This record gives sequence, structure tokens and C-alpha cells, in this order.
Amino acid sequence: GQNIDQPTEMTATEGAIVQINCTYQTSGFNGLFWYQQHAGEAPTFLSYNVLDGLEEKGRFSSFLSRSKGYSYLLLKELQMKDSASYLCAVRDSNYQLIWGAGTKLIIKP
Amino acid sequence: GAVVSQHPSRVICKSGTSVKIECRSLDFQATTMFWYRQFPKQSLMLMATSNEGSKATYEQGVEKDKFLINHASLTLSTLTVTSAHPEDSSFYICSARDLAGDSYEQYFGPGTRLTVT
Repeated sequence: GQNIDQPTEMTATEGAIVQINCTYQTSGFNGLFWYQQHAGEAPTFLSYNVLDGLEEKGRFSSFLSRSKGYSYLLLKELQMKDSASYLCAVRDSNYQLIWGAGTKLIIKP
Repeated sequence: GAVVSQHPSRVICKSGTSVKIECRSLDFQATTMFWYRQFPKQSLMLMATSNEGSKATYEQGVEKDKFLINHASLTLSTLTVTSAHPEDSSFYICSARDLAGDSYEQYFGPGTRLTVT
């Protein structure tokens, strides 16, 4: 079956760095996405990786290793507004998005 | 960036009634729209994929006669929850893929919170 694993919850301190990991097993691979979702709101797009390596976008970076079925989202200079759930999703061979359960990130002052 | 709207944002209805939720792509054309459901503290669950001018493709376990989807134009898809029951109470989110833009991104609507009493 298809499976996306990410930690349920993480806690970090304002101003620090946090890495949220995602491992996947899917039927085919056509890209990995990270979304941010604040409570009661729809997800917003953060990043997209289809080739191995690191994609940097401001304070957020995303890494992909296709051979390991692994990705991480790196958040730097954490701000209180970064408190949210972070969803990892993989697009499979049918171009269907397979979603992880999300990682709730709690930022403490 | 591309904008997707949903209406209503919040609806309360009585058990047994039907509710229609609209999803519109405001500044782009979307051949494909997706309908998701999200229960509290759970991830998004894809309900169906809607292609303009054709029948929707429903995920396993989703009753197509209960969740009616219509995608009559390139900018509008509707989800009708028929004979709603309290267990249908959830956060319903649509997303749309831009016909002309980058093929990888889906744009999400703000969601509709449905409460069935």
C-alpha cells in the first residue's frame, strides 16, 4: 500500500531551526509537496521537489532523496506565526496526491 | 497567485437536508478540481476528482449518490451533500489545478465547515 510517515507533533523555540521529516512509500513518484495549514484554514503551498537535493525559499528549505524515499522541511529563524500543521504529500504514478497525516509544530517563545 | 474561492465558508443544516458547496477558480481556468474532507486533527482525505464536462471520479468508500459533484465549467465545481447526517459534519476543501500554469501545483480554496445538527 501507499504510506506517508511524518511525526505527529514537534515543539521548537522562537528564533531556532526545526527539521520536519517525511518518509514515503508510494506506487510511483511524480513529486513531493510540503503544505502549511493553520488551524481551521485550508493548506497553503510551501514547496515542491521532484529531483534530489535541496530547494531553498527564504526561511524554508525542502530536501528530497528519492532513493531513500525521504524528504525534510527545514524552517529557520522560527516565528510564532509558524505554529501550524505541516503536510507532506507525494504525487504517485497516477498523478494522485497521497497525503501524510501532518506534523503539528508548536513554537514557544 | 491563483485564487480559489469557496462558498459558503460555514454552514449549519438540519439532518436530512441537502447542502451545496461551490468552488470557483477566480483568475484561472481549471480542468481538474479536487474535493477533500478533513476531520478534526486528521489529514486531508481526497473524496473525488472532478474533470470539466465529465463525471467525477470518486475515491473508494465515498458514496457518489450522497456526494454529488458537478463541474460544468472551467471555473466552477459544486459538491452537494444530500440527506446530510451528523457524521457528515466536517471541513470540506476544494482545490484546482491551473490549466495554463505550472502543472504541479494545486491551489486550495479556504474550505467550508459543515455542521449537521
